Amino acid sequence: GAVVSQHPSWVICKSGTSVKIECRSLDFQATTMFWYRQFPKQSLMLMATSNEGSKATYEQGVEKDKFLINHASLTLSTLTVTSAHPEDSSFYICSVPDRGYNEQFFGPGTRLTVL
Amino acid sequence: GQNIDQPTEMTATEGAIVQINCTYQTSGFNGLFWYQQHAGEAPTFLSYNVLDGLEEKGRFSSFLSRSKGYSYLLLKELQMKDSASYLCAVRDVHRGSTLGRLYFGRGTQLTVWP
Repeated sequence: GAVVSQHPSWVICKSGTSVKIECRSLDFQATTMFWYRQFPKQSLMLMATSNEGSKATYEQGVEKDKFLINHASLTLSTLTVTSAHPEDSSFYICSVPDRGYNEQFFGPGTRLTVL
Repeated sequence: GQNIDQPTEMTATEGAIVQINCTYQTSGFNGLFWYQQHAGEAPTFLSYNVLDGLEEKGRFSSFLSRSKGYSYLLLKELQMKDSASYLCAVRDVHRGSTLGRLYFGRGTQLTVWP
């Protein structure tokens, strides 16, 4: 299966700053990646679908101007949380679907804490 | 909308068998997945069902009934390391160029006692 990495694994930032999270598919070219958010004791909520070379598709209720997604290459997608606030503190996870789309491979996640 | 229900918590003892149920009501269906997630970690894939019936994979089995909107994950010969959250996820159908998205239930926290 695909090996997916995320960087950073955790980040603490001040309110109002922007934070960039990287998702890399290390051994697999991914035209599509997914970004999820998970609050404590909650399930994963899909935020957006990242598409290589085109605009991301956002889920209802997710502000595209606040959560900027860039998928510039087949191995890298980035999620930038702009003007972060304490309520954005969460566990952000990306995933890469396999070719047949019978499985998704998840990255290790990024723990964001906004003070 | 998407509605995926599973119990919040379950407990069992080592060596026992446990069944975690999942019911779903979704606008589209293109497969059901089960994932295991340990605290603070990303989910790991356990099983995938797209047709009715039972899929067996070692100590883990998953069952699907599409007409009933129902699935279960069966864990046999429980071990302490099986203590984790188990997530049921339904994949939506492909729409145009968009791959089918996964919608997750809240997860079932399983605690295995010695």
